[in-house]
Amino acid sequence: SQQGEEDPQALSIQEGENATMNCSYKTSINNLQWYRQNSGRGLVHLILIRSNEREKHSGRLRVTLDTSKKSSSLLITASRAADTASYFCATGDNYGQNFVFGPGTRLSVLP
Amino acid sequence: DSGVTQTPKHLITATGQRVTLRCSPRSGDLSVYWYQQSLDQGLQFLIQYYNGEERAKGNILERFSAQQFPDLHSELNLSSLELGDSALYFCASSPNSGLAGHTGELFFGEGSRLTVL
Repeated sequence: SQQGEEDPQALSIQEGENATMNCSYKTSINNLQWYRQNSGRGLVHLILIRSNEREKHSGRLRVTLDTSKKSSSLLITASRAADTASYFCATGDNYGQNFVFGPGTRLSVLP
Repeated sequence: DSGVTQTPKHLITATGQRVTLRCSPRSGDLSVYWYQQSLDQGLQFLIQYYNGEERAKGNILERFSAQQFPDLHSELNLSSLELGDSALYFCASSPNSGLAGHTGELFFGEGSRLTVL
């Protein structure tokens, strides 16, 4: 079963706009991670936020985590055409079980 | 370059056949994860090994098996292949054990694309 579920499934925006993707999960977690995948390529780690953190920044990325709502959001500011990719959240539960990914959000940034 | 190497990159085979996918993790990483990615199923966790031992098991079919060798490389064996097994198979490695949720960053290979005809 999937732990994380991203929303929306697909998002299309213009270059320069901000993109926000959401992730909901089911069980208690130690950390939540976001990954990016260009079409047909391997996933690349973007950012990790721990369960005791509420917000984290990395360049144009901002991630928030609300453990009470079991949700996280990824904000990409000032998007570029090169940001076009699929974005996945991933979590492992506190019992050391499966490290699973959500179905992903396909982001298209139009020039 | 993530430092994770997967071979072969592409593989075409027939139904009923058996294939072996190989993964070399990043130097020093003890954990290896296998994932299957197909268009209609997303990224499915198959299995994780840590330092040679099975650590966690996901949606891995009985026709599939994996192992991690003393040199830490891993192999995923797929047998009695069916059309539905066509997918991208990813290996990822991590220095973390995954124990008690302490899963750090995963480093992914570029995948092995399996086509079953």
